[in-house]
Amino acid sequence: SQQGEEDPQALSIQEGENATMNCSYKTSINNLQWYRQNSGRGLVHLILIRSNEREKHSGRLRVTLDTSKKSSSLLITASRAADTASYFCATDAWEYGNKLVFGAGTILRVKS
Amino acid sequence: SQTIHQWPATLVQPVGSPLSLECTVEGTSNPNLYWYRQAAGRGLQLLFYSVGIGQISSEVPQNLSASRPQDRQFILSSKKLLLSDSGFYLCAWKSGANEKLFFGSGTQLSVL
Repeated sequence: SQQGEEDPQALSIQEGENATMNCSYKTSINNLQWYRQNSGRGLVHLILIRSNEREKHSGRLRVTLDTSKKSSSLLITASRAADTASYFCATDAWEYGNKLVFGAGTILRVKS
Repeated sequence: SQTIHQWPATLVQPVGSPLSLECTVEGTSNPNLYWYRQAAGRGLQLLFYSVGIGQISSEVPQNLSASRPQDRQFILSSKKLLLSDSGFYLCAWKSGANEKLFFGSGTQLSVL
């Protein structure tokens, strides 16, 4: 079964609004990563947060990690139409060895 | 800088035909290499990964196989394709534990 589960499955917002996506996981992790995928393309790494970190920023992206709740959130502020894509969380855990396990993703649509 | 090449971008094959998808990485040595498959609108399923030449780990029993004949070359193969092998195949690499994945542009395989 998937280690990471994103919520919501799909999100539609207006340009300029903030978008929040959540990810829950099941086991202890080394780090959690967020990726973006444009339709029909490969995934692009956005941000990595380690298990001893609680929050990380990169441009308009803000990621939080709550290891006690085994959850993470990705916030995109002041969204743009170009942010329309699928967003995936992936977990890196000792018990999974050298593998990243991906969730099913959130489809984000930003309307202009 | 590191780059990853994956080809072909699209492939239409009849049921029962063989398959060979190739992935090469440049600008790094001894990468961990991965093959993922993505069904339409879904998350990524890890198929195979490799931590070194000739070392292949299979995640899901199936009709596919993988080989790593050279340090930076990863090949996904099948002797006889099934309809259920259709999907979007992604190759990826990372330099080691606790690191991010770099993805190729993907191959859309349609088995008819």
